[in-house]
Amino acid sequence: EVQLVETGGGLIQPGGSLRLSCAASGFTVSSNYMSWVRQAPGKGLEWVSVIYSGGSTYYADSVKGRFTISRDNSKNTLYLQMNSLRAEDTAVYYCASLTGVAAAPIYFDYWGQGTLVTVSS
Amino acid sequence: SYVLTQPPSVSVAPGKTARITCGGNNIGSKSVHWYQQKPGQAPVLVIYYDSDRPSGIPERFSGSNSGNTATLTISRVEAGDEADYYCQVWDSSSDHHWVFGGGTKLTVL
Repeated sequence: EVQLVETGGGLIQPGGSLRLSCAASGFTVSSNYMSWVRQAPGKGLEWVSVIYSGGSTYYADSVKGRFTISRDNSKNTLYLQMNSLRAEDTAVYYCASLTGVAAAPIYFDYWGQGTLVTVSS
Repeated sequence: SYVLTQPPSVSVAPGKTARITCGGNNIGSKSVHWYQQKPGQAPVLVIYYDSDRPSGIPERFSGSNSGNTATLTISRVEAGDEADYYCQVWDSSSDHHWVFGGGTKLTVL
C-alpha cells in the first residue's frame, strides 16, 4: 500500500524559512514524478512544484525563486524548502505523485494527508 | 495561463443525479481529471482521462468532455458524496503547469 506522510509544517514569521518532508512507503520517490500542491484555508487547490524522475524541477510562478523541491533517494523522501515566506503562502501543503499514459506526469494519483504552514507574525 | 471555471456550488437530492461542470477554452482537446475532497481530508482521484474510474470508485461516478465543457456526473447521489470536487488539466502550453478548477461544493439536500 502506498503511503505519503508529510511533516514539517508549523507557524513561521514572514520572511522565515521552513522545510517540508514527505516520506514515502510502498512507493519509490526517485522512480516517480513527485509534486507539492497547496490549499489556502477555505480555498482551492494550487500546484506548487514538481520533480521529475530524471531530476528536472519546475515551479509555479508564485513560488519560483523562493521554494526548492528536492528528494533523498536513500531516505525515499521528498522535500520542499521554503524561503522568504509570505502570508499568502499560508496553506495546507500536500505531496502527491503524478502519473499518466506512458508514465507521463498528467494527473495526481496518490496524495499525502497534508501539513499546515502558517505564515504570521 | 489556462483557466478552468467551475460553479461554486451544486445541490441535489439523494437518489438524484448531480452534474458538475468544468469550463475551459477548447477543454475538449485536453484530458480532464476529477478529485473529490471531503472536509479535513486529502483529495481523492475519482475520474481520470475524462471518463476512466480508478479502482474502488463506484460506477455512479462518470465523466465526459467535449467542446468547452467537461462534466462530472454522479448518479444516485448518496449523503456520503457530499464534498468539494475539483477538475484538473495539464496545460501543455505553459511551463509544465498543472491547473485546477476553483472547486464545486456538492451539497446533498
